[in-house]
Amino acid sequence: NAGVTQTPKFRVLKTGQSMTLLCAQDMNHEYMYWYRQDPGMGLRLIHYSVGEGTTAKGEVPDGYNVSRLKKQNFLLGLESAAPSQTSVYFCASRDGVAALHFGNGTRLTVT
Amino acid sequence: RKEVEQDPGPFNVPEGATVAFNCTYSNSASQSFFWYRQDCRKEPKLLMSVYSSGNEDGRFTAQLNRASQYISLLIRDSKLSDSATYLCVVNPGYQKVTFGTGTKLQVIP
Repeated sequence: NAGVTQTPKFRVLKTGQSMTLLCAQDMNHEYMYWYRQDPGMGLRLIHYSVGEGTTAKGEVPDGYNVSRLKKQNFLLGLESAAPSQTSVYFCASRDGVAALHFGNGTRLTVT
Repeated sequence: RKEVEQDPGPFNVPEGATVAFNCTYSNSASQSFFWYRQDCRKEPKLLMSVYSSGNEDGRFTAQLNRASQYISLLIRDSKLSDSATYLCVVNPGYQKVTFGTGTKLQVIP
């Protein structure tokens, strides 16, 4: 059972480049989330989705876009990467008020 | 006031010791509560849910105090493998999930 799968695991970008992070879950969960984690900052919510076709902003949405065209996938896009977006990105999913299931994370460095 | 607050630590305790962490939350309408464990540079993993009546899982005990708006985690007989960061998670509703910044535990031989 794969659970939550994130791709890629690592990426290095140059300032101004774009990329998409993919999150896929096979648990039929309605809710999906993108977090970033920086040293000393804890997990901060970027965007989330409460169902297919819906997205909403979290605490730190600027510089990111998301899409949830299919229930199982939640994509996070960086249109023009900046060094401040160097971080570890985690995707998570859940049903209702149940616990979150996390992916393994994507380590992104923007130079 | 932050929605969820935790003492960042670090808590340095000897093997075999008992250690307790608290986490306070601001939204009195919060519906569900969890403790997660996170190892360095890895994803958070669910340690246990927290119920109003309190719950225990082996050496770990979690408590919820709705009146004072805090949850706690007690670890008995600490092991070296318990060294990690412990995240408090509060769910105010069906959509948003709020994390504390975590409490770092280091168990010393």
